This record gives sequence, C-alpha cells and structure tokens, in this order.
Amino acid sequence: QQPVQSPQAVILREGEDAVINCSSSKALYSVHWYRQKHGEAPVFLMILLKGGEQKGHEKISASFNEKKQQSSLYLTASQLSYSGTYFCGLLGANFGNEKLTFGTGTRLTIIP
Amino acid sequence: NAGVMQNPRHLVRRRGQEARLRCSPMKGHSHVYWYRQLPEEGLKFMVYLQKENIIDESGMPKERFSAEFPKEGPSILRIQQVVRGDSAAYFCASSPMRQAGTEAFFGQGTRLTVV
Repeated sequence: QQPVQSPQAVILREGEDAVINCSSSKALYSVHWYRQKHGEAPVFLMILLKGGEQKGHEKISASFNEKKQQSSLYLTASQLSYSGTYFCGLLGANFGNEKLTFGTGTRLTIIP
Repeated sequence: NAGVMQNPRHLVRRRGQEARLRCSPMKGHSHVYWYRQLPEEGLKFMVYLQKENIIDESGMPKERFSAEFPKEGPSILRIQQVVRGDSAAYFCASSPMRQAGTEAFFGQGTRLTVV
C-alpha cells in the first residue's frame, strides 16, 4: 500500500516553518525522506530506523512514531532552496520486502 | 566519486520500437533499483537487482519489460514494443547494501517519450 502524505501542497513565506506527514497502514522498519526539484533526481534527506537511529542532514529534523506507523519531516526557517516535492519512502517491517514504497509527495513552494 | 549515471537523459521512440535504458551505479554499490515516475506523480517501484540477480520484480509489468544487472557493465531496463503509456521518467537508484538502513542515490533519470 502506498504511504499517505499530507498536506499535498503547501506555500510558505521564506523563514516560516512546515511539517510534512507520512503515514502507513503497515508496520514499518524505516522511513526515508527525499526532495525532488522539477526535472531533477530525488535527493536524499534523511533515514529514520526502527529503534530510533537517524541519519540525515543537520538542518532537517524528523520523527518516526513506530506505534502509529507515522513519520513527520520538520522544516524550520524555510529558505527558497527548500522548494520542491518531498517524498517519504517506507520500508516494511517484513524483511523479505526491501523495496521503498513512496508516497505521492508534498509540493512545497517557498516565496520571498 | 561519480554519482549514479543514467543514459540517455532523453529518449524518443515510435510505438512498437524498443527502448533500452542504462544505469551505472555509484562505485562500490551493488544494489540497483528502478523506479518509474509519471508527470506530477510519485515514484513507482519496478525492480530491485543485485549483480546478476533479480531480487524483486514485483513492480514490473509482466509483458514487454525486463531488467538485468550483469557482472560487468551497467544495469539495463528494456522495454519492448513501446506504447504511449510507457512515456514517463525512469529513475534508477543504487546503494551499497540493502535499502533498509542506508540511503539510495538516484540518477538524473531517463525521460522516455513514445510518439
């Protein structure tokens, strides 16, 4: 099943904060966050693993609620460069299934 | 260390022709994933390969599509007898190990247009 992301789109002024949510109907092992600008490749932002381990960029934070099967990405003091579409990719807790299933994306537009 | 290289970046094919998309993973990466993206949509998993093995092809259409990752050379996604509905961006990603605990790096994609 495809993860559900919310909101679908958001417009912010430079300097404002945003939260992007991602939820799954299945038990999760890890959550991967990517940002994609129009016409470009997705760029890795962060991984959150079951058990609390995180790997990612210093300026981006995220949470992973294993019980609720949800993750949230926090963008603070947004910059123009943050514009793009954000995707969460989920890896199921069943270790036989190792493909990332991506959500439909959240389009973030930062205006000056 | 070069990133994931995909070629061609743009490919135009007439209906019924074959399309071959190539992906060279990052150095040291032995796991390759192919995704397909329609305009304004998300990334749809197609196939996961390791060297000489297809690990998961559950996202691949049963007909006309095939993928390989030989011992030497790039991974190839092959689409036979293309139809208009195959028009999309095809991305490959590579990782040094299974995706569970490590990030995958994406190539720039191949934009296939079927006319």
